[in-house]
Amino acid sequence: QSVLTQPPSVSGSPGQSVTISCTGASSDISFNQVSWYQQSPGTAPRLLIYEVTERPSGVPTRFSGSKSDNTASLTISGLRAEDEAAYYCSSYTTTGTYVFGPGTSVTVL
Amino acid sequence: QLRLQESGPGTVKTSETLSLTCTVSGVPVTYDYFWTWIRQSPERGLEWIGSVYHSGGSSYNPSLGGRATISLDRSKGQFSLSVTYVTDADRAVYYCASRTLFNKYFRSWGQGFPVTVSS
Repeated sequence: QSVLTQPPSVSGSPGQSVTISCTGASSDISFNQVSWYQQSPGTAPRLLIYEVTERPSGVPTRFSGSKSDNTASLTISGLRAEDEAAYYCSSYTTTGTYVFGPGTSVTVL
Repeated sequence: QLRLQESGPGTVKTSETLSLTCTVSGVPVTYDYFWTWIRQSPERGLEWIGSVYHSGGSSYNPSLGGRATISLDRSKGQFSLSVTYVTDADRAVYYCASRTLFNKYFRSWGQGFPVTVSS
């Protein structure tokens, strides 16, 4: 079972950019099937990014994804108060399972 | 629009079987989707439990040790989760979710259903 690692928290002032990293292994992240989810308290996760860089319709363009080797990243540009939430990365693995990161709490100062 | 809604007992006793149902609306369960259960707890975070396809194919997280089964009821437009021999470690919010056949991400989620385990 592979494990994804994320920083527990990141913070930024309104208008700033923050980046959340998600580090995995060759059995998951390198598969290019990384997705990111946003979760506010008491709600279900919401898909933000899929296939590393793709945004579903309705997701603001200030959310973007990237990947380098076995680390994927989610960047929130122009941070807004409503972006305060938990963010989870996820990856499909070579064994046909899915793994999630532990989540990163974003605080807007 | 695809909508998912979990239901079932909110409490299950230790060593008994947890059973939850997800009602699908907006598309037939025979469409090209993988119907999925994911759970979330403070201790384990988000954890993929397993997925089932309408043709009968399924896959499960090995971490559950074979205790989980997902089944489909085509006539009712529902899919269900069964987890046997529950322990306190199975206490979590359970989400039903879906992904399309060729995608590897979960676009649609239910609102979540909390399950507690009592002794």
